[in-house]
Amino acid sequence: DGGITQSPKYLFRKEGQNVTLSCEQNLNHDAMYWYRQDPGQGLRLIYYSQIVNDFQKGDIAEGYSVSREKKESFPLTVTSAQKNPTAFYLCASALTGNSFSGANVLTFGAGSRLTVL
Amino acid sequence: AQSVTQLGSHVSVSEGALVLLRCNYSSSVPPYLFWYVQYPNQGLQLLLKYTSAATLVKGINGFEAEFKKSETSFHLTKPSAHMSDAAEYFCAVKGSSNTGKLIFGQGTTLQVKP
Repeated sequence: DGGITQSPKYLFRKEGQNVTLSCEQNLNHDAMYWYRQDPGQGLRLIYYSQIVNDFQKGDIAEGYSVSREKKESFPLTVTSAQKNPTAFYLCASALTGNSFSGANVLTFGAGSRLTVL
Repeated sequence: AQSVTQLGSHVSVSEGALVLLRCNYSSSVPPYLFWYVQYPNQGLQLLLKYTSAATLVKGINGFEAEFKKSETSFHLTKPSAHMSDAAEYFCAVKGSSNTGKLIFGQGTTLQVKP
């Protein structure tokens, strides 16, 4: 079955450490997105990529980095510069990121919960 | 710029009662609107979407939503709540740029009491 796989599901990090969250999709989608979820704040966009080897900052990109070397993969690194990294991270993909169509729906992975000790 | 406001962070209903979750949007262009549901520690699942084809949109699990341009609203309803409907619900609007990204509301937690 096609879908999005995020790993690990739970991750604990000490302050000052970088961690990388994996996101893999087999939907043959061009566009991929990383959102951060905090209680009462909804989802906020960190980074997105409309095509391989290209990505753009979202609303809260500071302290995060990404790469898009393969169409199916969009890993997110949470760096030590991120002041408050404890959150639930959601990866999503869409058939295309270059569309005005409302039919271009986002499909989400199951999420990764990061806790800083 | 687009934005979404969900009225009420928590809604509690009895099993069998009407579910009404409120969403108002702000958009400078005709909007595309979505409702997603999230169960604890899981990702988001699409319930329904409005793409201008019809103002009353039917989704999965018996949910529906009505687009009202005059009220800039897209409220989610279900005639009879099930215990399994307990979850967090997010309203979202598609951004005005051609990036495909969605702008989400703050979410509404639905509690269903027996």
